[in-house]
Amino acid sequence: DQQVKQNSPSLSVQEGRISILNCDYTNSMFDYFLWYKKYPAEGPTFLISISSIKDKNEDGRFTVFLNKSAKHLSLHIVPSQPGDSAVYFCAAIDTGGFKTIFGAGTRLFVKA
Amino acid sequence: DAGITQSPRHKVTETGTPVTLRCHQTENHRYMYWYRQDPGHGLRLIHYSYGVKDTDKGEVSDGYSVSRSKTEDFLLTLESATSSQTSVYFCAISESEREATDTQYFGPGTRLTVL
Repeated sequence: DQQVKQNSPSLSVQEGRISILNCDYTNSMFDYFLWYKKYPAEGPTFLISISSIKDKNEDGRFTVFLNKSAKHLSLHIVPSQPGDSAVYFCAAIDTGGFKTIFGAGTRLFVKA
Repeated sequence: DAGITQSPRHKVTETGTPVTLRCHQTENHRYMYWYRQDPGHGLRLIHYSYGVKDTDKGEVSDGYSVSRSKTEDFLLTLESATSSQTSVYFCAISESEREATDTQYFGPGTRLTVL
C-alpha cells in the first residue's frame, strides 16, 4: 500500500500559467516532505522541502503548501516555463525513522 | 553537482546471471543508497549504507545484496537476475548525521534489462 500518493500521472500547462502538483500521504508520522525534479536520462534533483511545523515554504517560482489535517501537500510553480517540463516526485520522511518514501511521480508538460 | 557516477549506465543481461552495479562518489558523504525506479511506483529503496561495512535493508531488498568496503564505493549485486529486476537503478548520497532531513543527491542512473 502506497504511503505517498501522486494521483495525477501527468499534467499539461500553458507557459506562464500556474502549475499545481498534488501529493497525499497516509502515514501521520511523516513530518518532513520534499519535492524532487527529474529530467529524462538524469537522476532526480532536490527542488524544495517543508517541515511539518510549517504550512508553506517558498523558493522563487516554487512554493510548497502543507495541509496536515488533510495529509496533503502541493507544489505550485508560477509562472510555469517550458524548462519546468519534467517528472516531479513527492517524498516524505518520518524523522523518527530513517527512510524516505517517494510517490510515483507526476509528469509535467509546459507548453510554449 | 554532487560527484556521483554509476557504472555501467546501461546493461542487458540474461535471467540467472549475476550482475553488479557500481556507485562511486567523490563527496566523502557518509550515507549511500540504492533505489529502483519503476512505472507507477516511483523510487523504492533497496538497500542503504551508513558507513563503511555498515548496511541495512530497504523496502525491496529481496534478491539484492550490497557491499561498501570504501567510503566512496557502494556496490549493488543481483546474485541471479530475474526479469522482475528489469528497472532503472539510482544511487544516492547524503551528508549529515541528521540524515532524516538531509537532501539526497542522485546519480545518473543505470538502466538494467534482464531478458
